[in-house]
Amino acid sequence: QQPVQSPQAVILREGEDAVINCSSSKALYSVHWYRQKHGEAPVFLMILLKGGEQKGHEKISASFNEKKQQSSLYLTASQLSYSGTYFCGTEIYSGAGSYQLTFGKGTKLSVIP
Amino acid sequence: ETGVTQTPRHLVMGMTNKKSLKCEQHLGHNAMYWYKQSAKKPLELMFVYSLEERVENNSVPSRFSPECPNSSHLFLHLHTLQPEDSALYLCASSQDVGIYEQYFGPGTRLTVT
Repeated sequence: QQPVQSPQAVILREGEDAVINCSSSKALYSVHWYRQKHGEAPVFLMILLKGGEQKGHEKISASFNEKKQQSSLYLTASQLSYSGTYFCGTEIYSGAGSYQLTFGKGTKLSVIP
Repeated sequence: ETGVTQTPRHLVMGMTNKKSLKCEQHLGHNAMYWYKQSAKKPLELMFVYSLEERVENNSVPSRFSPECPNSSHLFLHLHTLQPEDSALYLCASSQDVGIYEQYFGPGTRLTVT
């Protein structure tokens, strides 16, 4: 049930773009994206609901392909502050009106000058 | 205090000790969560509480015992832990269970000797 994230790690120079992918073998209700900087708590980025919507947060946006059970996080014109580990969390319906959120192993993003 | 706070921030305990982790949220949220984060492993959801009622227990060993006396406080009681239980324990809260962003506390770094 754990979603698979790719790549595991990526190094960017300032100003470059990156894409982080998250895929699941289960039918998804929603996808959550969080960023965690070293030694800090995870911080919420965005939630995408099934329906193939796309969301944006400054220069960070994401899409959710319900048919493929995939989500992608797009980081445009990366800044040093973007460095950290990005986690996707996939939410599935687990029955009896409850949903289960499971996180991937994370993608470590390093932005260098 | 604002947001989600956790105490202690660091804890070293022996396998025969009994200790408790405390989490407090000042956001007026109805849902609270305990996560375990180990090195090179994804965030593992341990327990979910909604309005002081446990709504999810992800096959966590009985040596971890949660308690939610009210919607603002969450405890994790620890006893007879194993070295593999050493990890960062994160508390989070959200408006309600489901498709709501979660606010994480700074975590308690637990070391079991």
